[in-house]
Amino acid sequence: GQQVMQIPQYQHVQEGEDFTTYCNSSTTLSNIQWYKQRPGGHPVFLIQLVKSGEVKKQKRLTFQFGEAKKNSSLHITATQTTDVGTYFCAGGYQKVTFGIGTKLQVIP
Amino acid sequence: KAGVTQTPRYLIKTRGQQVTLSCSPISGHRSVSWYQQTPGQGLQFLFEYFSETQRNKGNFPGRFSGRQFSNSRSEMNVSTLELGDSALYLCASSSQGWDYGYTFGSGTRLTVV
Repeated sequence: GQQVMQIPQYQHVQEGEDFTTYCNSSTTLSNIQWYKQRPGGHPVFLIQLVKSGEVKKQKRLTFQFGEAKKNSSLHITATQTTDVGTYFCAGGYQKVTFGIGTKLQVIP
Repeated sequence: KAGVTQTPRYLIKTRGQQVTLSCSPISGHRSVSWYQQTPGQGLQFLFEYFSETQRNKGNFPGRFSGRQFSNSRSEMNVSTLELGDSALYLCASSSQGWDYGYTFGSGTRLTVV
């Protein structure tokens, strides 16, 4: 079945450092979504990428969708303590699969 | 615009009992999906309902069931509870389906003792 692998599972960074999480699928995805879950909270939709090679930015966050539509990345520039949380990718075709998530800890 | 409402927020049940969780989606959203979240397994898809019909189903045993009403509200039922069913159960609402983006509820934290 479809698998969506996400790495790393955990990341500790000093405030101000950059952070990247990667998502890889075993099959071609129709689109990919990214969600953020704060500690004790629920996942919140961040963005959706649909086109091959697409790049989207939200302030310090940059999202990329691979040319083959099998991988994606989320890059955060100059992390802040407000970036703490778990970042999930989610992709599929008719059914969606979530990655295991990357838990980001920012050390002030 | 009201968000996705899940009730109850917390629940403690004994092994062998059954439980019903409720989800009210965003007004106008016809798709409701249910997920089980545990620390080791991440977000596991249970099922999706669209216009009162189950459209997709995950790999969970038959003890997990759901339904959707004509007003799009959905319920999830777990019978014969096991300790391993302890988890955060999340409801996700979407206008047409997952590829339109989910809005998640705050979840129901179920503890089975």
